[in-house]
Amino acid sequence: DAKTTQPNSMESNEEEPVHLPCNHSTISGTDYIHWYRQLPSQGPEYVIHGLTSNVNNRMASLAIAEDRKSSTLILHRATLRDAAVYYCIGGISEKLVFGKGTKLTVNP
Amino acid sequence: DAGVIQSPRHEVTEMGQEVTLRCKPISGHDYLFWYRQTMMRGLELLIYFNNNVPIDDSGMPEDRFSAKMPNASFSTLKIQPSEPRDSAVYFCASSFRGNNQPQHFGDGTRLSIL
Repeated sequence: DAKTTQPNSMESNEEEPVHLPCNHSTISGTDYIHWYRQLPSQGPEYVIHGLTSNVNNRMASLAIAEDRKSSTLILHRATLRDAAVYYCIGGISEKLVFGKGTKLTVNP
Repeated sequence: DAGVIQSPRHEVTEMGQEVTLRCKPISGHDYLFWYRQTMMRGLELLIYFNNNVPIDDSGMPEDRFSAKMPNASFSTLKIQPSEPRDSAVYFCASSFRGNNQPQHFGDGTRLSIL
């Protein structure tokens, strides 16, 4: 599994887009990039994952750099319910290795 | 659809007692995972099963910990004897066919060992 680097914390305003960066310079060619988030007092929740191409779903978009050494999770319009710790993980889904993640604060 | 169900939600017990945590995965999922989360160590994978068979238990901290999956709809994580350093939130997760399918987590069991 690839080591990932994320900022410890980020802040955003409600209804504005949020770009959460992740560096994974040691990622192998077959490792997926997974994003999970954990709201207070809850278990982690799947957000999105991808391999090479950018991915979109109802929750977020994932932009993957062409060299795959970094990626960005995009929340198009942050809401107060998006305040959580966001984890970026490089690897296979059976062995997710969670780092410290980025704590996102959303201001009203 | 019902999500992953864990019980109990909270457990407080004294050091030396046996603790059993329970998990019911999402119906049809064939992978089941046990994690532990502490402030110091974050979220760690303890063990995972595929089709009720333990595949990787390298994260299990020591012999006091054991996990079983007697059937596709039930798993237990047992600690015997428990110690204060086992205090943590324990999460169970399940997924379908493992191959980069998302894991679905339960709400966790908050365990306090006095």
